[in-house]
Parts: sequence; C-alpha cells; structure tokens
Amino acid sequence: NAGVTQTPKFQVLKTGQSMTLQCAQDMNHEYMSWYRQDPGMGLRLIHYSVGAGITDQGEVPNGYNVSRSTTEDFPLRLLSAAPSQTSVYFCASSRFRDYPGELFFGEGSRLTVL
Amino acid sequence: AQTVTQSQPEMSVQEAETVTLSCTYDTSENNYYLFWYKQPPSRQMILVIRQEAYKQQNATENRFSVNFQKAAKSFSLKISDSQLGDTAMYFCAFSPIQGAQKLVFGQGTRLTINP
Repeated sequence: NAGVTQTPKFQVLKTGQSMTLQCAQDMNHEYMSWYRQDPGMGLRLIHYSVGAGITDQGEVPNGYNVSRSTTEDFPLRLLSAAPSQTSVYFCASSRFRDYPGELFFGEGSRLTVL
Repeated sequence: AQTVTQSQPEMSVQEAETVTLSCTYDTSENNYYLFWYKQPPSRQMILVIRQEAYKQQNATENRFSVNFQKAAKSFSLKISDSQLGDTAMYFCAFSPIQGAQKLVFGQGTRLTINP
C-alpha cells in the first residue's frame, strides 16, 4: 500500500530554473494539497484540489502552479525558482467527507535553491 | 484569519514520564476541528488525535489525550507513559468545519524522550 508518493526526495536548483515536484496517491482520495515547511513557521498551504479539474490557492501560492488532470496525481510546478522557495515540500491527500481533517502525507521533498 | 501558536519550541522528558504540549489558537468560528499531528524523524507526518469543537468531552487515543478549553482557545496534548518512539515534532492544527481539509498549523514543538 504505497499511500502518498512524492518525487524527487531531494533537489538542488539554481535561481531562475523551473521544476516539477510530483505527487501521486493510490487511495482514491478526492482532496490533495501541497504544503511547505519552514523552520519556526510550521506548515503553510500552497495550493489544494477537491477533485480532478478543480484547484485553488492556499496561503502562499505565489511562484507555484498546480493542475489536477487525474484523481491520483497533483504535481507542483515552480515556474522560476527563487532562494525564498528553499523549503521542504509535503503533499497530502484525504477523503474529506468521511474523515474531516485527516490528511495523509508523503515523505516530503527537500528543495534547495541557490 | 485563523492562527495557531505553539509556545514551546522544544521539550525533553525521561522515558515513562508524562508530558504536556501547549497550543493556543485564534478564530471567530464557533464550530471547527483541532488536531495534533506527529512528525517522527523519518518525516512522514501522521494524525495523533482530533477534537471537534462542538464536543465538550476531551478526545483520547490510548496514551494520548487532550485538554480542550474552548473559551480560552487552548488545546493541549498530554502524552502519558512516554516512550522513545514518541520522539518527534508535534504540530497543533486548526480547521473550520467548512473547508475542513485546509489545515492551519502551529510552529511545532520538538519533543525528545530520553532513555
């Protein structure tokens, strides 16, 4: 049972480069989201999706883009990486109608922007 | 906007002791959910316990229990008979009833259980 899978686990970018963090879940969850975790700031919501074809912004969406073409996948795109985007990124999914607030997290992707 | 504050960045206790982690929050909502999530050193975060604000009874899950004080907007986590495997970062989180998956997290408390 894979749960939520994120790739890559580690990535180093140069300022201005673009990249995509992949997230896939095999639990048929309607809801998927991306958080970033920074020291002393907890986790902050970047973007989320309540189903295929539906996405919306969270607390810190600037510099990131998402799409949800299938129920399983929710990639996060960095359009032009900046040092301020150095962080650990977590993808999470849930079946919100049955279990409000119970998020299932991936193992995280550590991104460094030089 | 809702905010969640954890005022204890780090805590350390001996194995088998009881430890309480503090959390306060600010919201104008009357109905909401509160959570404690655990992030072990392996980094995959898991839900520890959930409290519905409309329930007066404090939630418990085995050795984990909460003290929910709605008027004071306080939501502390008590871990009884602490074990080495409880070593982790603990996050307090809030969500409204509508949009229950859009969690707002506190800063986290790093808990170390010493042998």
